[in-house]
Amino acid sequence: NAGVTQTPKFQVLKTGQSMTLQCAQDMNHEYMSWYRQDPGMGLRLIHYSVGAGITDQGEVPNGYNVSRSTTEDFPLRLLSAAPSQTSVYFCASSYSGPLQGPYNSPLHFGNGTRLTVT
Amino acid sequence: GQSLEQPSEVTAVEGAIVQINCTYQTSGFYGLSWYQQHDGGAPTFLSYNALDGLEETGRFSSFLSRSDSYGYLLLQELQMKDSASYFCAVSPRTGGFKTIFGAGTRLFVKA
Repeated sequence: NAGVTQTPKFQVLKTGQSMTLQCAQDMNHEYMSWYRQDPGMGLRLIHYSVGAGITDQGEVPNGYNVSRSTTEDFPLRLLSAAPSQTSVYFCASSYSGPLQGPYNSPLHFGNGTRLTVT
Repeated sequence: GQSLEQPSEVTAVEGAIVQINCTYQTSGFYGLSWYQQHDGGAPTFLSYNALDGLEETGRFSSFLSRSDSYGYLLLQELQMKDSASYFCAVSPRTGGFKTIFGAGTRLFVKA
């Protein structure tokens, strides 16, 4: 199992450009999510999905779009990049996420995409 | 809303015991999780407390007290490789299916 695979590892964009960060998992996990990590601010949830065809907003969704056409893939789209979106982006998946309630379903993280917007 | 508070940095000596605290303000959640992240790496799951009390996994233990809105991660027999950032996280019962993280505690282990 490769686990959670993110591409690219690094990306530099100019303000206003668009791009898609790719995320794929081979663990048949229903729950997938995107986080951004900035110094001193921990991990902040951008969007999440509880299954194919179902997505919802997290804490910081503005400027980002997602879709979930298959169980395996959960791409994150930046529509018009801004310097404030310079960050490290992590994709994470779990068997069921918080759907399990009190039963633990830990998040498995990809290795991240380091994005710089100039 | 919900927020989790952690100390920003903790320093300890190799072989010692260190406790990383997490206090939270949330209306209700399923459980408290802990994740470890080394510099340049991805967060990895360490421990989960669904109920009050202590959970032990090798050198790591985690504790939750819902009545005190408080939890902690205890690391024993510290090793240099334990130098990393540690995050507590909760999944609130309302507002969707989210896992919310604290800002993280940077642990420095000295020889």
